[in-house]
Amino acid sequence: DSGVTQTPKHLITATGQRVTLRCSPRSGDLSVYWYQQSLDQGLQFLIQYYNGEERAKGNILERFSAQQFPDLHSELNLSSLELGDSALYFCASSVGLASYNEQFFGPGTRLTVL
Amino acid sequence: AQRVTQPEKLLSVFKGAPVELKCNYSYSGSPELFWYVQYSRQRLQLLLRHISRESIKGFTADLNKGETSFHLKKPFAQEEDSAMYYCALNAGGTSYGKLTFGQGTILTVHP
Repeated sequence: DSGVTQTPKHLITATGQRVTLRCSPRSGDLSVYWYQQSLDQGLQFLIQYYNGEERAKGNILERFSAQQFPDLHSELNLSSLELGDSALYFCASSVGLASYNEQFFGPGTRLTVL
Repeated sequence: AQRVTQPEKLLSVFKGAPVELKCNYSYSGSPELFWYVQYSRQRLQLLLRHISRESIKGFTADLNKGETSFHLKKPFAQEEDSAMYYCALNAGGTSYGKLTFGQGTILTVHP
């Protein structure tokens, strides 16, 4: 499967903890995006990386950080977790940087903070 | 700041009936608009984008800048159209790929 992959599928942790979500883009895609989907906020853009560099930022909390590695996979780090961080976190990838490039979404990582 | 509103959380129609999923946006510039769809147990995927002016699976959407709307329409709904539909906006320029999504509409097409 050459689609976007995300690990883990599910993550259960406690408040105050730190977790790392991982995303591998489609083969050939240089852009990676992170989105958060929660019941009250809906689907919210967090951040975009292109070829290792941060390119666009949404309302990403300071407790959250991301990076894209030379092999183009990306990680989203969430620290000092709060109950409200429980959500589905999606990664997407696209070929290029521009808005008209179709974004291909991964299956998501469901994070539960207890 | 940009905003996308999908006024209907749920929409039910019968097979063969016309369907229209509403999307309104607020943005002062020239946005790019998209419709994304998520079928049951599948990933979120692009359905269509306004710049392509295409018809996908019988769906069309016209950008109306005067009414700031981008409604999704299909003349004859099919059961396989049942899904969650999201309208999304990109502000262009240095927004790069940043998409602002609406809250989504669950479409159910009854046999």
